[in-house]
Amino acid sequence: EAQVTQNPRYLITVTGKKLTVTCSQNMNHEYMSWYRQDPGLGLRQIYYSMNVEVTDKGDVPEGYKVSRKEKRNFPLILESPSPNQTSLYFCASALGFGVEQYFGPGTRLTVT
Amino acid sequence: KQEVTQIPAALSVPEGENLVLNCSFTDSAIYNLQWFRQDPGKGLTSLLLIQSSQREQTSGRLNASLDKSSGRSTLYIAASQPGDSATYLCAVRNGGSQGNLIFGKGTKLSVKP
Repeated sequence: EAQVTQNPRYLITVTGKKLTVTCSQNMNHEYMSWYRQDPGLGLRQIYYSMNVEVTDKGDVPEGYKVSRKEKRNFPLILESPSPNQTSLYFCASALGFGVEQYFGPGTRLTVT
Repeated sequence: KQEVTQIPAALSVPEGENLVLNCSFTDSAIYNLQWFRQDPGKGLTSLLLIQSSQREQTSGRLNASLDKSSGRSTLYIAASQPGDSATYLCAVRNGGSQGNLIFGKGTKLSVKP
């Protein structure tokens, strides 16, 4: 089944404790992206990747890192999480830029 | 800066009604527009994607239209069902194919049996 998977689905952590949210797709998509969704602000793009080793900032990249060492994986790294990063995070993938995106189920992160 | 607005924020209708969800955007120089559905606890499901050169797209009971010059799109749902209850999101891709996807805040639809 074609899908985008994220792990973990739920995470509660404390300020400053490094964490990684994994994202994997099995559709051989070149394009992958991370979004965060906050009440009243909607979905905003954090980072995206056009292909292996090619990443770029979205609208709200501060406090986040990403890597794209393999085509199928695009982990989101929070080196020192803060409470304002409490949010619902979505990973998405697409065949390329500008075409239909497929989203993962989301990761709800709480930073205390 | 591109802004995407969806009205209404919430809508409740009885089963069987036809309904229209609205999306407006401030910069008409878009590459394409995509409608998504979001269910609680689940990710976004792509419903329809309309390229800037197209006027409408249809899938089953769904029809999305695009009027780029006026900065508007509508999602028409025919013969609504309780299973259509979800939040519907509109997103535009700015400028060329490499533009970011800008989302509206969504319309929460409730279809009552």
